[in-house]
Amino acid sequence: AQSVTQLDSHVSVSEGTPVLLRCNYSSSYSPSLFWYVQHPNKGLQLLLKYTSAATLVKGINGFEAEFKKSETSFHLTKPSAHMSDAAEYFCVVSRQYGNKLVFGAGTILRVKS
Amino acid sequence: GAGVSQSPSNKVTEKGKDVELRCDPISGHTALYWYRQSLGQGLEFLIYFQGNSAPDKSGLPSDRFSAERTGGSVSTLTIQRTQQEDSAVYLCASSLGGLEVDTQYFGPGTRLTVL
Repeated sequence: AQSVTQLDSHVSVSEGTPVLLRCNYSSSYSPSLFWYVQHPNKGLQLLLKYTSAATLVKGINGFEAEFKKSETSFHLTKPSAHMSDAAEYFCVVSRQYGNKLVFGAGTILRVKS
Repeated sequence: GAGVSQSPSNKVTEKGKDVELRCDPISGHTALYWYRQSLGQGLEFLIYFQGNSAPDKSGLPSDRFSAERTGGSVSTLTIQRTQQEDSAVYLCASSLGGLEVDTQYFGPGTRLTVL
């Protein structure tokens, strides 16, 4: 079985400062890992995905995540936050050859001006 | 190109009524998924269709929930005898299917309110 724990339900940063959203996963199989973002009243958008190739994954809008098997983590980072980054972020796991996505509880990112 | 579309965007119904939610996947995508997003439960998988294979219904919460996919394209999620706990946003996603790491593209969702 797979599961995901997002360690912070809310994160608040100032514009221009780094963003760190933490995610730990549990999987009996080689996992596929994703980060999705959901802006208010909008659909889920894929930020990036881990495909078992490179452990450092680059996504859209300057986000990246690093897969660390030893720590079972897949934290999302961005060097400099923009106001437009304010949204809810979901860490997601599935089996490597799987289909069902298992979502974390979400982290709401607030960006202060 | 067009993304995943869902209709209606909002649905208000009375307890005990049946509702049908529609999903149009991205053209050419063979895999289709339904998820539910609710305050208490977060985002949960409901059902998965892949081509002509039997659907994976393991996430359906009760036998009041069913889904069909006609002609390998459009899907309808039906909830019979709706209850207040069915109130949620129902999300549909589609993917190419058959790939090792298959990206799912989500529609905007249908917000269901059961009074």
